[in-house]
Amino acid sequence: GGIITQTPKFLIGQEGQKLTLKCQQNFNHDTMYWYRQDSGKGLRLIYYSITENDLQKGDLSEGYDASREKKSSFSLTVTSAQKNEMAVFLCASSTGFEQYFGPGTRLTVL
Amino acid sequence: GDSVTQTEGQVTVSESKSLIINCTYSATSIAYPNLFWYVRYPGEGLQLLLKVITAGQKGSSRGFEATYNKETTSFHLQKASVQESDSAVYYCALSEDNYAQGLTFGLGTRVSVFP
Repeated sequence: GGIITQTPKFLIGQEGQKLTLKCQQNFNHDTMYWYRQDSGKGLRLIYYSITENDLQKGDLSEGYDASREKKSSFSLTVTSAQKNEMAVFLCASSTGFEQYFGPGTRLTVL
Repeated sequence: GDSVTQTEGQVTVSESKSLIINCTYSATSIAYPNLFWYVRYPGEGLQLLLKVITAGQKGSSRGFEATYNKETTSFHLQKASVQESDSAVYYCALSEDNYAQGLTFGLGTRVSVFP
């Protein structure tokens, strides 16, 4: 088995701030993903990466940057936090049809 | 783009009763997408409940079943007799043939089972 770790668990930021979320997986999966979930809504894909140093934009990539410097890690940066923004960011990895999800980072922007 | 529509909001059901969560899908680039049900139990992360990647087939797990109906573009989740431990949020999702491109999720259905 394996595990996906996301840090931090809670992230509080200020409007306009650049914020970075980190994800680590020890499944040795090739593909990793970042999703965003707003309250009462489904998950929406922000970025994905099919291998180290590869980055692909999802439907929600505007306002975000991503980085995949190692196979095991995938970082997401909110380039300019929006006031009153609240969401949960989920990292996932896969080597086939099944995606394995991390516990999430809950973002609050004051 | 792709879309998934499922029973919205919250469903409340008594223990030992049957449950059905409706899911319909629309995929723009492929006739027969891969279909999934994911579940989030209280205090736990999102996990795969079942998947079906061939139209017409049925998937099952933990007493739940879902049949891939290409005629009605539906993938309803059913269980004949629910238990309190089935209380969770259920998400229907699809991926296109190149599954590496990620999943498209429905909004989720919160199921509460009462004794």
